[in-house]
Amino acid sequence: DQQVKQNSPSLSVQEGRISILNCDYTNSMFDYFLWYKKYPAEGPTFLISISSIKDKNEDGRFTVFLNKSAKHLSLHIVPSQPGDSAVYFCAAGDGNQFYFGTGTSLTVIP
Amino acid sequence: ETGVTQSPTHLIKTRGQQVTLRCSSQSGHNTVSWYQQALGQGPQFIFQYYREEENGRGNFPPRFSGLQFPNYSSELNVNALELDDSALYLCASRSQANTQYFGPGTRLTVL
Repeated sequence: DQQVKQNSPSLSVQEGRISILNCDYTNSMFDYFLWYKKYPAEGPTFLISISSIKDKNEDGRFTVFLNKSAKHLSLHIVPSQPGDSAVYFCAAGDGNQFYFGTGTSLTVIP
Repeated sequence: ETGVTQSPTHLIKTRGQQVTLRCSSQSGHNTVSWYQQALGQGPQFIFQYYREEENGRGNFPPRFSGLQFPNYSSELNVNALELDDSALYLCASRSQANTQYFGPGTRLTVL
């Protein structure tokens, strides 16, 4: 049973616009959440994280929002750049084990 | 670059064989996790080691085993390989802030 879901397998956005990637989870015990970016033939690269005591964390062009009541988190990329084109994974964990979604492939069109 | 390295980068084995994959953690990280990523899927947690002891395991059979060494490098061993074991195997070391940093992975193909 998938505990972390990314329901959009792909997303296309114009350069300069906002990219919004979504992630849902089922386990209310999860207290730490991460976003990773992955290029082909490379391991996932850590982007940004958020703990359950916050509802927003910002790092440059990347902002993660957490809605605990809805068990939903999202990653906003503003402005989107062609170099952001990659597969994005969200992960949720309880301190010991992290569960990953299946990824969203983002394409930023120049 | 994360500082986490894995070897080999690619490996081809036949069904029934055994394989050992290696990971060198980022300096100062004493927790390492191993993940299996099948094509089109997200990484699936195999197990985690903390200070040379396994302290968490996902839904993988006992033929998946591991070791962590005093220098915090680690190994993933898979016995009696099956075709479905073909995947990208990732190790990740965890910082004090609970962030996982992944290595580049080992691509295992079982024929």
